[in-house]
Amino acid sequence: AQSVTQLDSQVPVFEEAPVELRCNYSSSVSVYLFWYVQYPNQGLQLLLKYLSGSTLVKSINGFEAEFNKSQTSFHLRKPSVHISDTAEYFCAVSGGTSYGKLTFGQGTILTVHP
Amino acid sequence: GAGVSQSPRYKVTKRGQDVALRCDPISGHVSLYWYRQALGQGPEFLTYFNYEAQQDKSGLPNDRFSAERPEGSISTLTIQRTEQRDSAMYRCASSLSGGSSIEKLFFGSGTQLSVL
Repeated sequence: AQSVTQLDSQVPVFEEAPVELRCNYSSSVSVYLFWYVQYPNQGLQLLLKYLSGSTLVKSINGFEAEFNKSQTSFHLRKPSVHISDTAEYFCAVSGGTSYGKLTFGQGTILTVHP
Repeated sequence: GAGVSQSPRYKVTKRGQDVALRCDPISGHVSLYWYRQALGQGPEFLTYFNYEAQQDKSGLPNDRFSAERPEGSISTLTIQRTEQRDSAMYRCASSLSGGSSIEKLFFGSGTQLSVL
């Protein structure tokens, strides 16, 4: 069985400040890790993923996440946020026979204030 | 189509009625997934298909829930004798491959079901 815990339900920050959204997981098998983002009135979109290799993965819009196996974490970070980053962020894991069968965390609402 | 399309966008029904939720995946996508998302929670897996074959239905909460994808494209999630606890956002996603490799899921905007 797998589970994902996102430690913060809401994170308010000011524009251009750094942000970290925390994610911890538990699994009895090797996992693949994902961050999805949901903008208002839209479907979830893949932000970045860790499959193997380098533990630091990056998205095209400046987010990065680091897989830490010993701490079973996959925290999402951005050094300087924009108003447009306001959204809900979901951490997810998959493993087993279907890699589209995801276990999601509860979500973190990131609100960027001017 | 350009993306995953779900209809209706909103569905309000009375307790005890049956509802059918539709998902039209991206053309050519092999895999189709259904998730349910309660308010304040992350999406929860319900079931998935490769082509027309239902591969895993372990997430369906009880036998009132069923899904089909008869021609390997459009899928319908049916909830019989709806209950208030069925109220949630129902999300559909599709991916290009058959679930045996890491492929990005493309999500639709969802159907918000409210059972009164």
